[in-house]
Amino acid sequence: IQLTQSPSLLSASVGDRVTLSCKGSQNINNYLAWYQQKLGEAPKLLIYNTNSLQTGIPSRFSGSGSGTDYTLTISSLQPEDVATYFCYQYNNGWTFGGGTKLELK
Amino acid sequence: QVQLQQSGAELVKPGSSVKISCKASGYTFTSYDMHWIKQQPGNGLEWIGWIYPGNGNTKYNQKFNGKATLTADKSSSTAYMQLSSLTSEDSAVYFCARSRYSGPFDYWGQGVMVTVSS
Repeated sequence: IQLTQSPSLLSASVGDRVTLSCKGSQNINNYLAWYQQKLGEAPKLLIYNTNSLQTGIPSRFSGSGSGTDYTLTISSLQPEDVATYFCYQYNNGWTFGGGTKLELK
Repeated sequence: QVQLQQSGAELVKPGSSVKISCKASGYTFTSYDMHWIKQQPGNGLEWIGWIYPGNGNTKYNQKFNGKATLTADKSSSTAYMQLSSLTSEDSAVYFCARSRYSGPFDYWGQGVMVTVSS
């Protein structure tokens, strides 16, 4: 299964509602997770099984979707959210999207 | 708390092999899969394979068959990945990460940078 993330680069302001997209080449059956990776750090799990928030992750992060189309939403962008975000599917093997780099406007 | 502590950066020559480690603590090592993921500078993430330390079962991304070999030492709660016949294309950061029942990767190691250069 191939994953396509869009946009590849997103500029937004503090307080903005931000939406990142991840589209699969086949049905992912909700076995989709989102990761945040800051420069020089390991990826951090934010959301798993499409919409389950990992322990310790702020509630401004949420996930939704079904079938082949999935979304990560940040309800109010904070400066510490500047990072690259990857989606990842574990329905059929394990594959990652190409990432969306989120920067402050 | 769960920790995955990886070995240090490696500078290796083309054609050689390298073995990197991932020492697990804070959980039952034999009850979780250990995955390995490759990240090249500026690129995304690529799954290499996994090992189940409980019985040594492995599964590889076809692309890494013959390139990567995964092993685990239950006595020291350490997973290993050996990369062979190294070329410049193998220069990357390599992460270990755990999962359970083929689920999401919930904890990751800090990553090991492998540089292949003469």
